Amino acid sequence: EADIYQTPRYLVIGTGKKITLECSQTMGHDKMYWYQQDPGMELHLIHYSYGVNSTEKGDLSSESTVSRIRTEHFPLTLESARPSHTSQYLCASSAWTGLNTEAFFGQGTRLTVV
Amino acid sequence: SQQGEEDPQALSIQEGENATMNCSYKTSINNLQWYRQNSGRGLVHLILIRSNEREKHSGRLRVTLDTSKKSSSLLITASRAADTASYFCATVNDMRFGAGTRLTVKP
Repeated sequence: EADIYQTPRYLVIGTGKKITLECSQTMGHDKMYWYQQDPGMELHLIHYSYGVNSTEKGDLSSESTVSRIRTEHFPLTLESARPSHTSQYLCASSAWTGLNTEAFFGQGTRLTVV
Repeated sequence: SQQGEEDPQALSIQEGENATMNCSYKTSINNLQWYRQNSGRGLVHLILIRSNEREKHSGRLRVTLDTSKKSSSLLITASRAADTASYFCATVNDMRFGAGTRLTVKP
């Protein structure tokens, strides 16, 4: 059972609102990731982190920001939501080194911006 | 830019048949992993193959790796309806995925 949690699971919000998607893991993993995925489509890496105070942009310019103040917490913030941000957002974490480098994924947040 | 690129995009088979899907990657690798996704939920890790391995088995799964061609294949033997899902690959050091292979297993 993966110990990585995303909240909320579903969110409908109006254009221009600021939102924060939460992601927490209790496995002590250093590496964390955010992906954006439209139904049946490719996963796009939008942000990742190697550990506390480390954040990197991925491949997709999603106009979002992340922070990593604590190992277990990696929130994603949209300062001003737009309909183009409507998508599913998946958070994942993995160990930095060692034999067990598999990534664990949360259940996702399905965001709709109206 | 996506690193793991899966092929075919979609595959439909009958229960009991074998399913083979392929993956190509662009970077040098240490290890490569395959994941499964059910109905748009989070991905679940299936199997990892290390760069010095050529083949690995886990239950009904068989994974091969060809580092000279930068490609990997996933074989699911004796498929079941419950195997219906999308399958993705990614290198451990990159964690970028493609669009996946959508497998449908008909009862």
